[in-house]
Amino acid sequence: EDKVVQSPLSLVVHEGDTVTLNCSYEVTNFRSLLWYKQEKKAPTFLFMLTSSGIEKKSGRLSSILDKKELSSILNITATQTGDSAIYLCAEAGGTSYGKLTFGQGTILTVHP
Amino acid sequence: GAGVSQTPSNKVTEKGKYVELRCDPISGHTALYWYRQSLGQGPEFLIYFQGTGAADDSGLPNDRFFAVRPEGSVSTLKIQRTERGDSAVYLCASSTGPAGGTDTQYFGPGTRLTVL
Repeated sequence: EDKVVQSPLSLVVHEGDTVTLNCSYEVTNFRSLLWYKQEKKAPTFLFMLTSSGIEKKSGRLSSILDKKELSSILNITATQTGDSAIYLCAEAGGTSYGKLTFGQGTILTVHP
Repeated sequence: GAGVSQTPSNKVTEKGKYVELRCDPISGHTALYWYRQSLGQGPEFLIYFQGTGAADDSGLPNDRFFAVRPEGSVSTLKIQRTERGDSAVYLCASSTGPAGGTDTQYFGPGTRLTVL
């Protein structure tokens, strides 16, 4: 059974700090790993990492996939209060082409 | 452009009642997904449609849960004889599909279901 584990479960920082969120996965037939930001109800898409695209960057956010270690990190530099949210990691793999398996999420709180 | 929309945004019902939750995917997206998210957890897969057919319904917890997508666009998740344990946020997502697991799923705002 596919499994995704995120750490830490929660993190409190101050504006301007840099944070690193971790995601590890176990999957039989890896296809992609995705990061989402969830502020109220709808998870909003951040990045997709695949075998052909193991590093992505957008502004202050960046993500790297380590296929050897079966893990990914999400980095946020110069954090702002608007970065406060739940960050979800999910993998697409196994025998189902539609199913995403999500981790529990990391709750990030950025204080002014 | 319009994103995924879901109605109602909140639904309160009594134990034993029947409920229907609706999802309108992004126009042109052929793949549609339902997930359920309990408090403090990540979303949990329920069912995936490619066009009108359910390509994978392995996440439906039992036969009280059923979903349809008769015309390949709007989908309805139906829950019979609701139980208090069904209380959760039900999320819908859509993607251009089928792309073998490398097409991005875009989520709607969800329906918060509370069973009293």
